[in-house]
Amino acid sequence: GENVEQHPSTLSVQEGDSAVIKCTYSDSASNYFPWYKQELGKRPQLIIDIRSNVGEKKDQRIAVTLNKTAKHFSLHITETQPEDSAVYFCAASGGGADGLTFGKGTHLIIQP
Amino acid sequence: NAGVTQTPKFRILKIGQSMTLQCAQDMNHNYMYWYRQDPGMGLKLIYYSVGAGITDKGEVPNGYNVSRSTTEDFPLRLELAAPSQTSVYFCASSRGLAGGFVYEQYFGPGTRLTVT
Repeated sequence: GENVEQHPSTLSVQEGDSAVIKCTYSDSASNYFPWYKQELGKRPQLIIDIRSNVGEKKDQRIAVTLNKTAKHFSLHITETQPEDSAVYFCAASGGGADGLTFGKGTHLIIQP
Repeated sequence: NAGVTQTPKFRILKIGQSMTLQCAQDMNHNYMYWYRQDPGMGLKLIYYSVGAGITDKGEVPNGYNVSRSTTEDFPLRLELAAPSQTSVYFCASSRGLAGGFVYEQYFGPGTRLTVT
């Protein structure tokens, strides 16, 4: 089955700087890659996703890039703000009905 | 739209007890999922369903059962609860597939279960 590795497990950046979180996946058939933000005690919230027919997607301060050849994808957050502090999860899906495979998460800390 | 709802929010079970976690969605989604999230970890798929009457196992199905008698509801049954089932359980739903790609999943608020 699919295996998703996520790095780093903790990332501390100064407010206003950029943050990058990276994930690799194992199944070349995976074609959908969402990113979720989870605040303490809350449900995961989708912040951005990308499908394998595009290489990059951007939504205001958030962008995701996908390298299908290397089987990795990354989340980029620019101009970080205190409210960006949370745990971020990447995930992958093979285009079937059988759910998402998640990475273990990155705890993003924004230092004032 | 209430989206995806789950009950209860919290529950404490004794070892060997049974319970049902309820999940409902009002978005007319065909696909529904159950995940568990252990402390400091990502979510793992327990069971999923592509429509009423159709269910299938995910990565960690042992100790759980599901049923899907309607489009809206997807309950998760724990039989003979064990401490290893202490976790936060999330239900999710999705419109399904289009053009070979899955639609995004929407998550419920979760049920925090402790087995002692």
